[in-house]
Amino acid sequence: KQEVTQIPAALSVPEGENLVLNCSFTDSAIYNLQWFRQDPGKGLTSLLLIQSSQREQTSGRLNASLDKSSGRSTLYIAASQPGDSATYLCAVRGDYKLSFGAGTTVTVRA
Amino acid sequence: IAGITQAPTSQILAAGRRMTLRCTQDMRHNAMYWYRQDLGLGLRLIHYSNTAGTTGKGEVPDGYSVSRANTDDFPLTLASAVPSQTSVYFCASSLSGDLNEQFFGPGTRLTVL
Repeated sequence: KQEVTQIPAALSVPEGENLVLNCSFTDSAIYNLQWFRQDPGKGLTSLLLIQSSQREQTSGRLNASLDKSSGRSTLYIAASQPGDSATYLCAVRGDYKLSFGAGTTVTVRA
Repeated sequence: IAGITQAPTSQILAAGRRMTLRCTQDMRHNAMYWYRQDLGLGLRLIHYSNTAGTTGKGEVPDGYSVSRANTDDFPLTLASAVPSQTSVYFCASSLSGDLNEQFFGPGTRLTVL
């Protein structure tokens, strides 16, 4: 059974600092990995999708890396802003479903 | 373009009642999914459908049923609600199954008393 772990569970940084969020998974037989953002009381917003054959994916201030063989992904958010405060979830796609981590709750202090 | 809509936004339901959560997408996605999100347990897949006319069981299917009569709609039915089904329910869709990005709806907050 796929286990997805996100460390740390919570993170507080001053505005302008770079954010580094970690995701690890136990079974490397994945199709892809997806990073989501969730604001309190809201649905999930897809941030980045990395296919299993890719090493990284970038969108604006966001960059995600994937090391499938070691079962790790890292999401980097450059020059954080208070609007980046949210919970960030990673999910890996195996057979028929996504397996989610518990998330990292980020607070960016103005 | 609305993407994925879910109804109702929230609902309080007496135990034993039947309830259908509605999900509609306008992206012509083939695959659709139902998840529940619970504190401490994260997001778990209830049922999925890879294409209209087919459905499959996820991790926690007991007490729930789904149907997929057409591409756009994927209703989730609780035949006889129990308090343990109190949760936030999310519908999601993707162009096809394994390789494509999943997009999520805004969720339905369900309380079963």
